[in-house]
Amino acid sequence: ETGVTQTPRHLVMGMTNKKSLKCEQHLGHNAMYWYKQSAKKPLELMFVYSLEERVENNSVPSRFSPECPNSSHLFLHLHTLQPEDSALYLCASSQGRFNTGELFFGEGSRLTVL
Amino acid sequence: AQSVTQLGSHVSVSEGALVLLRCNYSSSVPPYLFWYVQYPNQGLQLLLKYTSAATLVKGINGFEAEFKKSETSFHLTKPSAHMRDAAEYFCAVTGHGSGNTGKLIFGQGTTLQVKP
Repeated sequence: ETGVTQTPRHLVMGMTNKKSLKCEQHLGHNAMYWYKQSAKKPLELMFVYSLEERVENNSVPSRFSPECPNSSHLFLHLHTLQPEDSALYLCASSQGRFNTGELFFGEGSRLTVL
Repeated sequence: AQSVTQLGSHVSVSEGALVLLRCNYSSSVPPYLFWYVQYPNQGLQLLLKYTSAATLVKGINGFEAEFKKSETSFHLTKPSAHMRDAAEYFCAVTGHGSGNTGKLIFGQGTTLQVKP
């Protein structure tokens, strides 16, 4: 199995739908992250979980709701999204929060909001 | 606070030519610096990192980068480009020591095109 697995790889949803993105890491790490990658913009850090506790929330709208039930799993629950939320959502993990900055990324979930 | 500027959003080289991707950083504390690569339809993968040891850092796939404090630069190079190097490259910085928030700050990315 790859180190960080994200599902689904592609998701199309309407603005009134509710969906979830899932991330699972098989590396034994204790920190997990959600990043948003939009065209022509730097990666935006959304949430950080360290030892299953949310330690960072970078002014993300409440229509994005993270959940970290254990150190291996991370979810991003989505509801009433806007078209501008269309992007690639990347999950990452590390041993220690940021630590020396070496993050292991999943392949991403490509989200399209109609 | 830290920031990263990648000069040139798009770089095109011929196969076998030198690759040079530019990155300048700003940091109020001694920095850790990184280059990540993103191949099409994939996540980011660490190429190399500088963490205050040797200033010339060697990474995977023949890439290397040199930390130059006087120029606040961390440019990425490879002597001879290969078609498989076509990807997007991200420079990133975080700080260590007092005042470090631990946050990894990414540049906007540089797309490398390799022509046959």
